[in-house]
Amino acid sequence: GAVVSQHPSWVICKSGTSVKIECRSLDFQATTMFWYRQFPKQSLMLMATSNEGSKATYEQGVEKDKFLINHASLTLSTLTVTSAHPEDSSFYICSASVGGGNEQYFGPGTRLTVT
Amino acid sequence: DAKTTQPTSMDCAEGRAANLPCNHSTISGNEYVYWYRQIHSQGPQYIIHGLKNNETNEMASLIITEDRKSSTLILPHATLRDTAVYYCIVRQSGNQFYFGTGTSLTVIP
Repeated sequence: GAVVSQHPSWVICKSGTSVKIECRSLDFQATTMFWYRQFPKQSLMLMATSNEGSKATYEQGVEKDKFLINHASLTLSTLTVTSAHPEDSSFYICSASVGGGNEQYFGPGTRLTVT
Repeated sequence: DAKTTQPTSMDCAEGRAANLPCNHSTISGNEYVYWYRQIHSQGPQYIIHGLKNNETNEMASLIITEDRKSSTLILPHATLRDTAVYYCIVRQSGNQFYFGTGTSLTVIP
């Protein structure tokens, strides 16, 4: 149980376009979802926290107008990278938790390459 | 901000126990110690967590010092598939995870 999926697993897009990444909790309802970004050879960096039905809370330094997060249901959160640039190329990972519980369940990640 | 320090890298012989240390000297009384690992280009995988007592599950054991300022993750019989980056994280229940730099463990045949 407690499986989180992400789609797509990898995506290549052209500079200036927008890309949407989906994060789904497959067998549980996630009241809170988190989005992370990871550059090569670096650790995961928390970008934002989203609760179902409310606006996401962004970490300091993360542009909320560039990284749009929607958490419209208890099983789906989306991250849209708007007007992507090569420096946005990264590994994006989501995670989900239930009711502020102790564990977070991580998705497999999405590799974004902006050319 | 990450509140833990870990060695950058470690090696372990296959079949031997891997002992991964973590310092968390500023841990608060209501903060848990979590361990996750990340195999290259995958999402982090939960290993174990604890508050005060030592914990054991099918993957590993977690030893927390009495003053809770440090802990050790023990993989009892390391295999090549245990090669990964191991993250030690302290967190209050329900709060966000902030990852530190982790320990890159290499299991050597």
